Amino acid sequence: GQNIDQPTEMTATEGAIVQINCTYQTSGFNGLFWYQQHAGEAPTFLSYNVLDGLEEKGRFSSFLSRSKGYSYLLLKELQMKDSASYLCAVLDSNYQLIWGAGTKLIIKP
Amino acid sequence: IAGITQAPTSQILAAGRRMTLRCTQDMRHNAMYWYRQDLGLGLRLIHYSNTAGTTGKGEVPDGYSVSRANTDDFPLTLASAVPSQTSVYFCASSDGVDANYGYTFGSGTRLTVV
Repeated sequence: GQNIDQPTEMTATEGAIVQINCTYQTSGFNGLFWYQQHAGEAPTFLSYNVLDGLEEKGRFSSFLSRSKGYSYLLLKELQMKDSASYLCAVLDSNYQLIWGAGTKLIIKP
Repeated sequence: IAGITQAPTSQILAAGRRMTLRCTQDMRHNAMYWYRQDLGLGLRLIHYSNTAGTTGKGEVPDGYSVSRANTDDFPLTLASAVPSQTSVYFCASSDGVDANYGYTFGSGTRLTVV
């Protein structure tokens, strides 16, 4: 079966750095996405990785290792507004997105 | 409108009733999707459409139907609602099947079946 694992919840301090991990086992791989979802709102696109390595976009970076079935989202200089759920999703061989359950990130002052 | 509009925002529905959730996009995206999101579970695909006139079943299609008469609209119908269909429903679209630039989501419909 297809499976995406990410931690249920993480806590970090304002101004710090946090890394949210995602491991996946899917039938084929055509890219990995990270989305941010604030409580009661729709998911919004953060990043897309299809090749191994690090993609940096401002305070957010996303890393991919296809051989390990592993990705992480790195958030720097945390702000209170970063409190949200972060969803990892993999595009499988049929070009369907398989979603993880999401990681709820709590930022404390 | 800009993006995806879903209606209604929320609804309480009696079991056994029929209901259609509406979804309209103005981005001329070819692909559209319906997901449900339940606490502790990832987004689960109900139905999808790669282009106007075509639809396909996702992971959890039972009890739901869709149509795609044109590019902009992708309604989801619950023929006879049951309490297990209580969920938050998201409509999404993408510019192509490979979704290189991510999906755009509507704001969601919160449905409670009692």
